[in-house]
Amino acid sequence: QSALTQPASVSGSPGQSITISCTGTSSDVGGYNYVSWYQQHPGKAPKVMIYDVNNRPSGVSDRFSGSKSGNTASLTISGLQAEDEADYYCCSYTTSDTLVFGGGTKLTVL
Amino acid sequence: QVQLVQSGAEVKKPGASVRVSCKASGYTFSNYDISWARQAPGQGLEWIGWTRGYNIKYAPNFQDRVSLTKDTYTSTAYMELRSLTSDDTAVYYCARNGGGLHYWGQGSLVTVSS
Repeated sequence: QSALTQPASVSGSPGQSITISCTGTSSDVGGYNYVSWYQQHPGKAPKVMIYDVNNRPSGVSDRFSGSKSGNTASLTISGLQAEDEADYYCCSYTTSDTLVFGGGTKLTVL
Repeated sequence: QVQLVQSGAEVKKPGASVRVSCKASGYTFSNYDISWARQAPGQGLEWIGWTRGYNIKYAPNFQDRVSLTKDTYTSTAYMELRSLTSDDTAVYYCARNGGGLHYWGQGSLVTVSS
């Protein structure tokens, strides 16, 4: 299985909105509504921000939202804050009953 | 509260094996699956496999070298990786499935060096 495709980096100014894409195939992203997104700060374990495409765990800011169209999932962060600067990874369930991560996206808040 | 506590850092020689443990608390261990992933220095997350009830699934890249087990009596999951090379130097994580990978262990650094 190949890693899902994410942009290597995105950036935005405080208060702006950004979107990170995650492209897979019909065997993973496109085939199931089981896409999740993780935020990881340096030296820390990942933290789930979105699960099942567009569900937010308790305690996660509503500035984070997820969506999917075809084989591409997206994470949108609105009202960017300095604390959002981190690496973000998407993850999808696959037809092989496995998971696959994206390559990761570094978000820089300018 | 849910916690996953992993074993400490390990230094191994090429060709050796390593076993990482992940002790769960704060929930009924048998009710949730456990995934394992790793992150090499400066690299992204890589999924290794998961225990799904009585089934175990491995990522193709690890199929021949990894074994995932669990002990429901001690609420502990284990990952063993064999035939280590320098490319296996990474932080290894366990995570509880359910609402995505909702809870993560603190990570266990495995260093492979001669």
